[in-house]
Amino acid sequence: AQSVTQLGSHVSVSEGALVLLRCNYSSSVPPYLFWYVQYPNQGLQLLLKYTTGATLVKGINGFEAEFKKSETSFHLTKPSAHMSDAAEYFCAVSGSGGGADGLTFGKGTHLIIQP
Amino acid sequence: DTAVSQTPKYLVTQMGNDKSIKCEQNLGHDTMYWYKQDSKKFLKIMFSYNNKELIINETVPNRFSPKSPDKAHLNLHINSLELGDSAVYFCASRLSLTGSGANVLTFGAGSRLTVL
Repeated sequence: AQSVTQLGSHVSVSEGALVLLRCNYSSSVPPYLFWYVQYPNQGLQLLLKYTTGATLVKGINGFEAEFKKSETSFHLTKPSAHMSDAAEYFCAVSGSGGGADGLTFGKGTHLIIQP
Repeated sequence: DTAVSQTPKYLVTQMGNDKSIKCEQNLGHDTMYWYKQDSKKFLKIMFSYNNKELIINETVPNRFSPKSPDKAHLNLHINSLELGDSAVYFCASRLSLTGSGANVLTFGAGSRLTVL
């Protein structure tokens, strides 16, 4: 069984400040990890994913995340927040055995950008 | 061209009615899903179909019945709608070959159901 915990249902940062959204996972198999973003009244869009190889993965819009197996974490960061980053962010995990079982999502973190 | 399209985008209806949401994908994916997003934004899988075969059927009232006429379509029919069914329903698709857990789920824009 897999699960995802996102610490902080709401995170508020100032424009230009570092964004850090936390994600910890639990998986009985080597995980594939994803971050999705949901803008208001829209569907989910993939930001980045970790499968194998390099543990620091870069995504769209300047976001990146680092897979740390020892900490079972996959935190999302962006060096400088922009007003357009305000959205809901979801961390998700998928087992490596196959894709028909979909993704298990965390409860989401609402990112607020203060001007 | 929209990769995963859902209709309708908004649906407002009375308690007790029956309604359907349709989903189509043009990505050539073999697996499709329905997710429910509640008012707190929590996303929970409801169903998944692989090549028209039901794979996942989470604890969902049997008033919800998915139907997959072919692997490009997955519809959701809801009978006897209740207030608690109000939510956003997302369709998604993915290529699900063995060992393909790395493949990305592509989501539709969502269908917001409001039951009055």
